[in-house]
Formats: sequence, structure tokens, C-alpha cells
Amino acid sequence: SAVISQKPSRDICQRGTSLTIQCQVDSQVTMMFWYRQQPGQSLTLIATANQGSEATYESGFVIDKFPISRPNLTFSTLTVSNMSPEDSSIYLCSVFTPNYGYTFGSGTRLTVV
Amino acid sequence: AQRVTQPEKLLSVFKGAPVELKCNYSYSGSPELFWYVQYSRQRLQLLLRHISRESIKGFTADLNKGETSFHLKKPFAQEEDSAMYYCALMSTGGGNKLTFGTGTQLKVEL
Repeated sequence: SAVISQKPSRDICQRGTSLTIQCQVDSQVTMMFWYRQQPGQSLTLIATANQGSEATYESGFVIDKFPISRPNLTFSTLTVSNMSPEDSSIYLCSVFTPNYGYTFGSGTRLTVV
Repeated sequence: AQRVTQPEKLLSVFKGAPVELKCNYSYSGSPELFWYVQYSRQRLQLLLRHISRESIKGFTADLNKGETSFHLKKPFAQEEDSAMYYCALMSTGGGNKLTFGTGTQLKVEL
């Protein structure tokens, strides 16, 4: 299956600032996804990152708050903008391959103070 | 809209006892279902998917379309099975979006 490197693994940020999370895959994949896992809750899909086009956001998530880049088939970034304590969460990237299904990064644990 | 329900937040069993983690889904199309596991301090990883019909680490799950269920079972629990288990459904109508249940924490006691 694909191997995903995600960084940073954790960060503590001041409210009002932005954090960019990077996701690197060891092979070319068409579909990359970004998820959020709030404390004590399940994973919620933020958006699908498509190479060469705008990301597709799920209900409740907007581009201004979570801008995504997908410059090539092995890399994507998610930015959490103008952060507030409510954004404290684990953010995960994921890729889909037909043979192995979904593979997940190790996650970025974000704390906003 | 697709939905995955895992009714139990926590399931505690003794070592050697059978395990059943419940998962029900709602989806208008033909679902593809998965079980993911997250061990302490490790990343989320695929345990099994219904289309492969495999048995991984002694776990099996059968898709029951009549009951819209995909329960995860193991005949004899082991201490190393203690983890968080998530049932997930992939939409097959385009987009390959994965919807997760809320997860069940399995605790295997000695």
C-alpha cells in the first residue's frame, strides 16, 4: 500500500494564526483526502484534493478556512486559517488506491491556545 | 445520505471470549464497507474490507444487506486486540468518499 508522510506531527499555535500541514505520498495517487478528528469523535471528511483542479469541500467546510493545494500526484497541503480553539483537533490525510483502499497518514495533532 | 452507526462506544470482554463489534449502515446504493483499527499511539490502518472476504488477525465481517449490517467478529479475544475500531462506508457513486462510524473502543481484559 501507499506510504504517507505527514508533518508536522503536532503543533501548538496561537489563535488567529495559520498552520499548513503537508502530506507526501511515496507513489502517484489520483485521490487524496483530508479528515478532521475532533477530541472524542470520529473522522469527518473535510475535502477531496484533486490534482489540477480545485478541492471539493464537504458541507460545513469552506476554502477560506481550509485552503488546500495539490500541485502534483504525490503531495498535498491543508492550511488551517485564522485558528481558534475550536480548531484543536487531529488532521489526517488519506489516499485511495483500488488495490488497498484507503491509507492514512499518522496525523497532525493541533492545539490552538 | 450515507450513514454508519456503531452503537457501542466501549466494549469490554475477557481474554478468550468472543467479540462482536456492531456496525449498521444506511446507503441508497451498493455499499463497500471497511473496518479500520487504531492501536494506541499508532495510525489508523485497514483491518479488512468486505469485498476481499479475508480473515485478518482472526477477525471476520460479513455484509448483511437485509439487515444493513457489517458486524466485526472474532471467536477468541486476545489482549493485543485492545484498540479503537471504526466501521466505514465508501460511496460507490463517484468520489470514493469514506464515511466513518463513531468508533468502538475494545478493551480485552485478562
